[in-house]
Amino acid sequence: DTGVSQDPRHKITKRGQNVTFRCDPISEHNRLYWYRQTLGQGPEFLTYFQNEAQLEKSRLLSDRFSAERPKGSFSTLEIQRTEQGDSAMYLCASSQETGADTQYFGPGTRLTVL
Amino acid sequence: AQKITQTQPGMFVQEKEAVTLDCTYDTSDPSYGLFWYKQPSSGEMIFLIYQGSYDQQNATEGRYSLNFQKARKSANLVISASQLGDSAMYFCAMREGWGGGADGLTFGKGTHLIIQP
Repeated sequence: DTGVSQDPRHKITKRGQNVTFRCDPISEHNRLYWYRQTLGQGPEFLTYFQNEAQLEKSRLLSDRFSAERPKGSFSTLEIQRTEQGDSAMYLCASSQETGADTQYFGPGTRLTVL
Repeated sequence: AQKITQTQPGMFVQEKEAVTLDCTYDTSDPSYGLFWYKQPSSGEMIFLIYQGSYDQQNATEGRYSLNFQKARKSANLVISASQLGDSAMYFCAMREGWGGGADGLTFGKGTHLIIQP
């Protein structure tokens, strides 16, 4: 059973550019979450999918952010017109809608905006 | 008010000693779940242990146990016989509500644990 995978692991971009991250959840998990973590802080929830439906979005998810999960499997998170404040670790997690519904995290994508 | 409070920014512990990491939470929802995660310097969040609000007994997973005191709204993580590999950031997190409407986790600011030989 492979864990959650994320690609790329690191991304350096210039301010104003668009970036896209990918997350592949654990295969039998129908729920997928995106979080952002800045230095010295715990992760902050961004958005959540159940299958292909995006059911919840945090106020942190500005209009420049968009997430998709087109076939209920992998998900993408796009940031348009990046700003220096977007520099952070972007974490993806997945869970199965049973029992404790424990979220299992991927290794994250570290974004640096110059 | 913060929903998850971890009051120990950093802790130094001698190898083989037991460690208690503090976590208090705030919610008015009767159904909630409490989680502890470990984040080594590599960055990946590793799930350690879970406690449901209706669970009668404290959760245990190997060397990890959760000291759940519902009336005090505390969910402290206890690591027995600490090892050098336990050195990492530890986060307490809460999910409010249950079932159909899944919620993102709310995390505390973490405790940086360093195990000394």
